[in-house]
Amino acid sequence: QAGLTQPPSVSKDLRQTATLTCTGSTNDVGYQGAAWLQQHQGHPPKLLSYRDNNRPSGISERFSASRSRNTASLTITGLQPEDEADYYCSAWDNTLGAWLFGGGTKLTVL
Amino acid sequence: QVQLVQSGAEVKEPGASAKVSCVASESSFNGYIIHWVRQAPGQGLEWMGWINPNNGGTHCAQKFRDRVTMNRDTSISTAYMELSRLRSDDTAVYYCAKEEGAFDIWGQGTIVTVSS
Repeated sequence: QAGLTQPPSVSKDLRQTATLTCTGSTNDVGYQGAAWLQQHQGHPPKLLSYRDNNRPSGISERFSASRSRNTASLTITGLQPEDEADYYCSAWDNTLGAWLFGGGTKLTVL
Repeated sequence: QVQLVQSGAEVKEPGASAKVSCVASESSFNGYIIHWVRQAPGQGLEWMGWINPNNGGTHCAQKFRDRVTMNRDTSISTAYMELSRLRSDDTAVYYCAKEEGAFDIWGQGTIVTVSS
């Protein structure tokens, strides 16, 4: 079944490490990797990484992405209150000819 | 850094069309793909399609192919997305986003409300 699967929510303590996952298939995540975006309520998304672990300029090194076969991961170290947001993964699906988004993970920093 | 500025909120009746514009703040408009993504209230992101400002080529998600028109005016660094035959479930924030690596730069979003 097409689509990217993310856990709906993750909660972690301040200054801890959170790892968010995104499971796809060989046609999407496994094809060209994934991008990760952060979205705060009421704001447009912000790109954190693309094609697995390429960070745009200005993105903190606390955000790192990786991939193992068809599962992409975003690791956020030293959690801060401002990291509380929705996180979306995205990947190009080579068979559908379409960009896919995961359903998003709401990260709560306790 | 380039910015994308979108047109203002719209309220439309079912069956009407909505046209959203996206103005790039720099002259490199032609150099990068512009995507259109929407987000229904309380929901996730949904990719609609992209336009290549350099040649006007477009590619649309199958779901929208019969209702979406994307074009651009390079003389004013502006991309447009028009969604026709609007339904209530088209109520959403519509974003344009410029691709360098992926969805690098986003517009502020345009709220389109479909209501009778």
